[in-house]
Amino acid sequence: GENVEQHPSTLSVQEGDSAVIKCTYSDSASNYFPWYKQELGKGPQLIIDIRSNVGEKKDQRIAVTLNKTAKHFSLHITETQPEDSAVYFCAAPPRPNSGYSTLTFGKGTMLLVSP
Amino acid sequence: GAGVSQTPSNKVTEKGKYVELRCDPISGHTALYWYRQSLGQGPEFLIYFQGTGAADDSGLPNDRFFAVRPEGSVSTLKIQRTERGDSAVYLCASSSGLAGGSEQFFGPGTRLTVL
Repeated sequence: GENVEQHPSTLSVQEGDSAVIKCTYSDSASNYFPWYKQELGKGPQLIIDIRSNVGEKKDQRIAVTLNKTAKHFSLHITETQPEDSAVYFCAAPPRPNSGYSTLTFGKGTMLLVSP
Repeated sequence: GAGVSQTPSNKVTEKGKYVELRCDPISGHTALYWYRQSLGQGPEFLIYFQGTGAADDSGLPNDRFFAVRPEGSVSTLKIQRTERGDSAVYLCASSSGLAGGSEQFFGPGTRLTVL
């Protein structure tokens, strides 16, 4: 099955700085890579995702890049704000995405943005 | 519109007892997933339903865990003879199940504590 490694486990930045979180995956057939944000006491919320037919996707201050050859993908947050503080999870499907697949999650990165 | 809801939000039980956790998915979503999240970890897949049937139950840790979705909407996760190691947050997610529509929407979770 899929093995997803995520790092760093914690990341502290000053407000306005950029933050980068990286994940690697093991199954070269994986083709869907979501990122979730989880705030304390809440369920994970999808913030951005990327499919294997593109190398980068942006949505305002958030971007995700994918390197299929190296089997890694990264989350980039620019101009960080205190409300970005949360735990971020990367994920990948254990089987090629058919629209019904489950997800294997990384262990999470706790992002702390200091004012 | 309403998101995924889970009840109860918290459940405290004694070792050896039986518990039921309920999930109400987003209306019209055919796919439903149960995950378990231990402290400091990412969600771990338990079982996935497509309609009324369990399409993949490979994540259930043992036969004390069982889940149903009799009418293809609400799902109940059942745990028999609970053990202290079952303490975790149990997350439910749903998705449209359409090809390529893999975004999973998570509920807030049920925090289970086994004393």
